[in-house]
Amino acid sequence: LAKTTQPISMDSYEGQEVNITCSHNNIATNDYITWYQQFPSQGPRFIIQGYKTKVTNEVASLFIPADRKSSTLSLPRVSLSDTAVYYCLVGLSGGYNKLIFGAGTRLAVHP
Amino acid sequence: NAGVTQTPKFQVLKTGQSMTLQCAQDMNHNSMYWYRQDPGMGLRLIYYSASEGTTDKGEVPNGYNVSRLNKREFSLRLESAAPSQTSVYFCASSPRAPGGQPQHFGDGTRLSIL
Repeated sequence: LAKTTQPISMDSYEGQEVNITCSHNNIATNDYITWYQQFPSQGPRFIIQGYKTKVTNEVASLFIPADRKSSTLSLPRVSLSDTAVYYCLVGLSGGYNKLIFGAGTRLAVHP
Repeated sequence: NAGVTQTPKFQVLKTGQSMTLQCAQDMNHNSMYWYRQDPGMGLRLIYYSASEGTTDKGEVPNGYNVSRLNKREFSLRLESAAPSQTSVYFCASSPRAPGGQPQHFGDGTRLSIL
């Protein structure tokens, strides 16, 4: 099973870039890496997904090194509304397994 | 544009009572999931349904049963509720297998068992 490890919490200020790293040493060849965002009293919301190298969308970038044993979610120029818990999820592509959400990283953005 | 709808949003039960949590998705997804989230923790998979007519256990299935009623609906049943089942329950769906397909989550059912 691909277990993930993330920092428990991070603090930042408005306008800064935030990088959250997730370790997944046991990632399998076909696993994708997916990041979710969760606000209080809401379900997790998909942010970005990748398999290797770099992926960018309108809200974030995802950097994955060649060995794929870690990944970094990058949030450019955060605002107060980015205060949330961020989860890194690694799952078996094409199959089902015990999908493992770690405890997530609680990001606090300050004025 | 409902996505994944869970009912009820809140419920209080007494120990030993039974209850069914309902989940419906309108995205024509094949796969559906039930998770629980305890305070300050991540989500743990209870059961999943890869496709209509199939269900399988996740990480923490004890004390729960599920029914994939049709492609849209996936219910979670607590036959004899226990205080340890106090949690927030999330239903999710994905087009197919979750590895390469993002999951879409409902907003949860907050369940308290006294």
